[in-house]
Amino acid sequence: ILNVEQSPQSLHVQEGDSTNFTCSFPSSNFYALHWYRWETAKSPEALFVMTLNGDEKKKGRISATLNTKEGYSYLYIKGSQPEDSATYLCAPQPRGSQGNLIFGKGTKLSVKP
Amino acid sequence: DTGVSQNPRHKITKRGQNVTFRCDPISEHNRLYWYRQTLGQGPEFLTYFQNEAQLEKSRLLSDRFSAERPKGSFSTLEIQRTEQGDSAMYLCASSSGTGEAYGYTFGSGTRLTVV
Repeated sequence: ILNVEQSPQSLHVQEGDSTNFTCSFPSSNFYALHWYRWETAKSPEALFVMTLNGDEKKKGRISATLNTKEGYSYLYIKGSQPEDSATYLCAPQPRGSQGNLIFGKGTKLSVKP
Repeated sequence: DTGVSQNPRHKITKRGQNVTFRCDPISEHNRLYWYRQTLGQGPEFLTYFQNEAQLEKSRLLSDRFSAERPKGSFSTLEIQRTEQGDSAMYLCASSSGTGEAYGYTFGSGTRLTVV
């Protein structure tokens, strides 16, 4: 069973601030790392899936990095906007699983205009 | 195709009653997952189907829970003799592979409240 930790639990920033979150997980038995954004009353939306150590992915103002050797991933948001307000979930996918994900508790981001 | 659809969106039921939820995945996706999220926690895996075969069940899925995916299309999740601890958001997700290419497509969930 993977122990997935996300920090901080919640974050309040002003519009225009840049911010980052951390996801840590046991590095053994790793296969892939997923990031999802979940806005209230909507479906969780896939942001990134990363598999290789050193992977960096970018989608607009959001980017993520992966370190599989030490077991962590960072998610960065540049110039936060109110529409970025959501809970950001990371989910390692263990090797040998049927694609099942082990979700962290998430980081809840609130961006004030 | 408009994505993964779940019905109902909300369900309030009395303790001891049976409830059934439905998930319609993206039509070309052969893999379907059920997750449950309780307050303050991340989603937890419940069960997984590849086409119509249920290939994995979590230990969280007690014998009061049963899931089906007849003909490999929509899926249902039934909870018998509901308990207050079953109150949660039940999420369905689908994919065409093990998800490492594009991630999973989730539905909006069914929020169950057991009173």
